Amino acid sequence: QQQVKQSPQSLIVQKGGISIINCAYENTAFDYFPWYQQFPGKGPALLIAIRPDVSEKKEGRFTISFNKSAKQFSLHIMDSQPGDSATYFCAASKVETSGSRLTFGEGTQLTVNP
Amino acid sequence: NAGVTQTPKFRILKIGQSMTLQCAQDMNHNYMYWYRQDPGMGLKLIYYSVGAGITDKGEVPNGYNVSRSTTEDFPLRLELAAPSQTSVYFCASSYSRWAPVLAMAFFGQGTRLTVV
Repeated sequence: QQQVKQSPQSLIVQKGGISIINCAYENTAFDYFPWYQQFPGKGPALLIAIRPDVSEKKEGRFTISFNKSAKQFSLHIMDSQPGDSATYFCAASKVETSGSRLTFGEGTQLTVNP
Repeated sequence: NAGVTQTPKFRILKIGQSMTLQCAQDMNHNYMYWYRQDPGMGLKLIYYSVGAGITDKGEVPNGYNVSRSTTEDFPLRLELAAPSQTSVYFCASSYSRWAPVLAMAFFGQGTRLTVV
């Protein structure tokens, strides 16, 4: 069963624009909500993450907005650049004794046109 | 360079064949994970390990086996390969159980497996 739903599947933005990717989750027991960035032929790399008791976190041009009551969170990329073109995954993490289990969204392929 | 090394990068298997995907990390991480990534989908956890001798099932363990005899290595075994196992496989490691969300998780570059 899919516990994290991500939209849109693909997104095309002009250079300098704002890219917005949305995710919704079902399990309220999740501990953290990270976003991963993946370039073709590479493994995912952690971009930014947020705890459920925080409504917003900003790191440079990347901002996570978190709405606990709606069980939704989103990634905003300000001043989008062609180098941001990649696949972005949201995820939800549940920490257990034997490790942190990540449930991933389906991914959003972002293209930033110059 | 330190990190997670996966071999091979590409492999084509015939139905019913078996193989082992290798994963090694040189960061002395306790936690290691195997994920598969199907086209247009997020990563799904196959197996994970908290340390040598300890493994546990993830979301999609059927058709796979793992072992963890050392801290460094976490091989994934496919027995009787099936077309449904065509995917990209990623190995990851982290220092602690919180690490995957604290910028401490490292992913390998992936193994692209095709079963025909």
